[in-house]
Amino acid sequence: KQEVTQIPAALSVPEGENLVLNCSFTDSAIYNLQWFRQDPGKGLTSLLLIQSSQREQTSGRLNASLDKSSGRSTLYIAASQPGDSATYLCAVLYNFNKFYFGSGTKLNVKP
Amino acid sequence: DAGVTQSPTHLIKTRGQQVTLRCSPKSGHDTVSWYQQALGQGPQFIFQYYEEEERQRGNFPDRFSGHQFPNYSSELNVNALLLGDSALYLCASSLALSSGVSYNEQFFGPGTRLTVL
Repeated sequence: KQEVTQIPAALSVPEGENLVLNCSFTDSAIYNLQWFRQDPGKGLTSLLLIQSSQREQTSGRLNASLDKSSGRSTLYIAASQPGDSATYLCAVLYNFNKFYFGSGTKLNVKP
Repeated sequence: DAGVTQSPTHLIKTRGQQVTLRCSPKSGHDTVSWYQQALGQGPQFIFQYYEEEERQRGNFPDRFSGHQFPNYSSELNVNALLLGDSALYLCASSLALSSGVSYNEQFFGPGTRLTVL
């Protein structure tokens, strides 16, 4: 059974700090992994997509890495800002177009 | 580009009723997936439509059904509503490869908040 786990469930950091969010998955036969941001009561905003053949992707202050063999992905946020406060979700695509989401990490960046 | 749109934004129903939610995909996308997100949890995959057919289905009962139209828009229908169906329903669109498999980035709509009383 495919499971996706995100640790920690919640994180509070002071503004300016660099931070790492973790995502682990039980089945390494993934096609891709996508990181999303969700603001309260809103839909999901795509941040980064990593194909199974890639090791990392970068966009601005965000960097996502993928290690299929260990079943892990990390989202690195540099120089965090209060506007980064949101819930961050990772989703893993397996065969036959089935996507599995983690429960998310709720990030609070304090001014 | 309007992105993925969903309607209505909010909906209140009573147990036993039926509901229809609507989704228009991002321009150029042909695949629509539906998700249910309970409070404090990650989205759960309901099903996916491609070429007007249900291609994949998650672990949801037959009370959940859907449809995709020739213009790629989609509907999610839920019959015999239960209190536990209260959730945020999200629609995502993507572009499939020629084989019908979609490895591409998913884009989500703002969701429909369904409350069942």
